[in-house]
Amino acid sequence: KQEVTQIPAALSVPEGENLVLNCSFTDSAIYNLQWFRQDPGKGLTSLLLIQSSQREQTSGRLNASLDKSSGRSTLYIAASQPGDSATYLCAVIGSNDYKLSFGAGTTVTVRA
Amino acid sequence: GAGVSQSPRYKVAKRGQDVALRCDPISGHVSLFWYQQALGQGPEFLTYFQNEAQLDKSGLPSDRFFAERPEGSVSTLKIQRTQQEDSAVYLCASSFGTGTVNTEAFFGQGTRLTVV
Repeated sequence: KQEVTQIPAALSVPEGENLVLNCSFTDSAIYNLQWFRQDPGKGLTSLLLIQSSQREQTSGRLNASLDKSSGRSTLYIAASQPGDSATYLCAVIGSNDYKLSFGAGTTVTVRA
Repeated sequence: GAGVSQSPRYKVAKRGQDVALRCDPISGHVSLFWYQQALGQGPEFLTYFQNEAQLDKSGLPSDRFFAERPEGSVSTLKIQRTQQEDSAVYLCASSFGTGTVNTEAFFGQGTRLTVV
């Protein structure tokens, strides 16, 4: 069974600092990896999707890297803002699967 | 619609009561998923539909949980005789593709179920 781990569980940084969120997974046979944002009491918003053949994806201040062989992905958020405060979840789909396996998330607080 | 819509947003049920949670996926999306998210945890898979066919219900925690998607669009998750451990956020997601093609998942806002 795929296990997804996110470290740290919580992170607090001052505004302007870069954020680094880590995700690891036990089975490297994945089809893709997706990063989501979840605001309190809300659903999940898709941020970035990386196919297994890709090394990274970028969207604005967000950059996600994928090292499939070592079972790791990192989400970088540049020049953090208070509006970036949320829980960030990573999830993988196995190469012969269709459902997402999620980590427990990293809760980020950006202090003004 | 523009996104995945779930209703109700909040539901308080007395223990033993039956509840029904609704999901309207993005129009044209073939795949539909239900996930359960406990407080402080990531979502856990419950069940998967491809059009009207329920292809996987391995994540349903007990036979009190039942899901349907009779016309391949709207889906309903029903929980019979609710228990306190059923308290969670229930998330619905849809994707355009099937299998491993076009699998980017789009989630609804969720239904927060509290059983008292």
